[in-house]
Amino acid sequence: IAGITQAPTSQILAAGRRMTLRCTQDMRHNAMYWYRQDLGLGLRLIHYSNTAGTTGKGEVPDGYSVSRANTDDFPLTLASAVPSQTSVYFCASSETGGRGGRFFGPGTRLTVL
Amino acid sequence: SQQGEEDPQALSIQEGENATMNCSYKTSINNLQWYRQNSGRGLVHLILIRSNEREKHSGRLRVTLDTSKKSSSLLITASRAADTASYFCATDSSGNTPLVFGKGTRLSVIA
Repeated sequence: IAGITQAPTSQILAAGRRMTLRCTQDMRHNAMYWYRQDLGLGLRLIHYSNTAGTTGKGEVPDGYSVSRANTDDFPLTLASAVPSQTSVYFCASSETGGRGGRFFGPGTRLTVL
Repeated sequence: SQQGEEDPQALSIQEGENATMNCSYKTSINNLQWYRQNSGRGLVHLILIRSNEREKHSGRLRVTLDTSKKSSSLLITASRAADTASYFCATDSSGNTPLVFGKGTRLSVIA
């Protein structure tokens, strides 16, 4: 692994189903983030974690949950997917304090029907 | 809510020309960052400029920051077809407010 990996690359999901997007980084960054990118709206922060064991809500947290059991992994769960959650999801990380640049994963394209 | 707003939304230039993109923001910041996103890919961090800096260079990139006008510009000199991408500014404000991205400028460099 080099940098950040996300899985799956893309997924089509029926509304009401549960889905977990996976994110793993090998840079030992303390801070990790989940964004969604929608046409015309840019990137919006869903949830973040400044360090393992802590999480926080971003701009659009409703319908999503995260956990940070260790430094490397930061999964994003949709408990009951809805069509408005159709988007491209990006995981990112940054060094301690989150004041520096973000390193982004390749993204997961999710379609909820 | 968007903090940074890029201008123009789209820009098309010939290879070899310079490309200038602007970003305006509303509240005080610790730093401002520029990112590039190629189609279908994740964002790549280009450059970070702190609130006490006025200009920064990285290769063919030149970033300026005017905190009195709450604006920044990204200049790409001698553009190449490979510079075709969307460019985003992101502002890191005071306190615990997370990094906020603008909607981006789509740059097309025509060979």
